[in-house]
Amino acid sequence: SAVISQKPSRDICQRGTSLTIQCQVDSQVTMMFWYRQQPGQSLTLIATANQGSEATYESGFVIDKFPISRPNLTFSTLTVSNMSPEDSSIYLCSVEVGGFLTETQYFGPGTRLLVL
Amino acid sequence: AQSVAQPEDQVNVAEGNPLTVKCTYSVSGNPYLFWYVQYPNRGLQFLLKYITGDNLVKGSYGFEAEFNKSQTSFHLKKPSALVSDSALYFCAVRDGASKIIFGSGTRLSIRP
Repeated sequence: SAVISQKPSRDICQRGTSLTIQCQVDSQVTMMFWYRQQPGQSLTLIATANQGSEATYESGFVIDKFPISRPNLTFSTLTVSNMSPEDSSIYLCSVEVGGFLTETQYFGPGTRLLVL
Repeated sequence: AQSVAQPEDQVNVAEGNPLTVKCTYSVSGNPYLFWYVQYPNRGLQFLLKYITGDNLVKGSYGFEAEFNKSQTSFHLKKPSALVSDSALYFCAVRDGASKIIFGSGTRLSIRP
């Protein structure tokens, strides 16, 4: 398994500003993921972040809006840029642990973002 | 394309009774199936997974799930529900090396 921490745990931001969310893992992992979740709803994958390469974004998400850094095998950041109230959501960091075809994803506690 | 369905938005069970949270899936290859639980204001916690082998998989907190290939189902079960089991449960599926897909979630409510 993996122990994942996220900072901040929650924030209230003004529209037009940016927020950077940090994700720290207690072990080295290749695959890290960023998800968005509306309260009580399912998860939507924003992007996959591998160390040493550009993040891969899902349809509907772009790098200018959600830039991601992955400087090493235990850390990643997601920035929510030029925020609007529609960006209010829970942002979850996830890592993949295990061997080929037996991988399991583990999740951080989430960052609750409210944009006013 | 792979997909996963959780047909019930909410399941209500009395404490001490058995519980079942339903999940069906569709994949083109061999399915890799997962259950996660999300308590209020928390991230998702891994409960159990099926990769291969025994169709009955045991996981955390006394939960188990049964893989049924003919019915393409992976229902989550517990013999005796606790009030503390009240949470949001997600089924997920991966088709080989593809990305994991999450279901819409089922809210489990256990009444005392």
